[in-house]
Amino acid sequence: DVKVTQSSRYLVKRTGEKVFLECVQDMDHENMFWYRQDPGLGLRLIYFSYDVKMKEKGDIPEGYSVSREKKERFSLILESASTNQTSMYLCASSPNPGQGDQETQYFGPGTRLLVL
Amino acid sequence: DQQVKQNSPSLSVQEGRISILNCDYTNSMFDYFLWYKKYPAEGPTFLISISSIKDKNEDGRFTVFLNKSAKHLSLHIVPSQPGDSAVYFCAAKNSGYALNFGKGTSLLVTP
Repeated sequence: DVKVTQSSRYLVKRTGEKVFLECVQDMDHENMFWYRQDPGLGLRLIYFSYDVKMKEKGDIPEGYSVSREKKERFSLILESASTNQTSMYLCASSPNPGQGDQETQYFGPGTRLLVL
Repeated sequence: DQQVKQNSPSLSVQEGRISILNCDYTNSMFDYFLWYKKYPAEGPTFLISISSIKDKNEDGRFTVFLNKSAKHLSLHIVPSQPGDSAVYFCAAKNSGYALNFGKGTSLLVTP
């Protein structure tokens, strides 16, 4: 089974703090994604990566950056946390064509971040 | 600009009856569609998908129908069970990597 893990389930930070959210997948997937989920807004893509050291902006990248130094790990960084970044953050991974069910993304359990 | 729309934020159905969740999309380049199910405090889990070359895909109690001309898809759950109560997200993609998600429909199945 695909396993996507996220470093924290719940996190409380203060405005202005630098926040790191870590995601690890164990299925050797090429592609990894960061979303945030907010009530009434669904899942919105922040950033994704299709290879080590490669990254692409999603729909709402402002205020975030990412790091993919190793294939299995994709980090989301809030450079200076703000209250409007209070949200549920979801990491996902998917394989490339030829690796299996390449169209499906597999999600981690999510990190609920509260910025005070 | 929302390319995938789920216009019903919530739906309530009696146990044993059919649940029908609807999804519309605007991008005619989408060629693959998925439904995800999400419980509170958990990540979404993949439920069922359909390629644009098909108009129906069935997996147990779950069936997805695709009407390309209307840019509409629907998820049917028959019979509905209380454990089906969750938020359901419709998603679509084209040749790129990313999925475009709808805002979700919260399904409540009552005993």
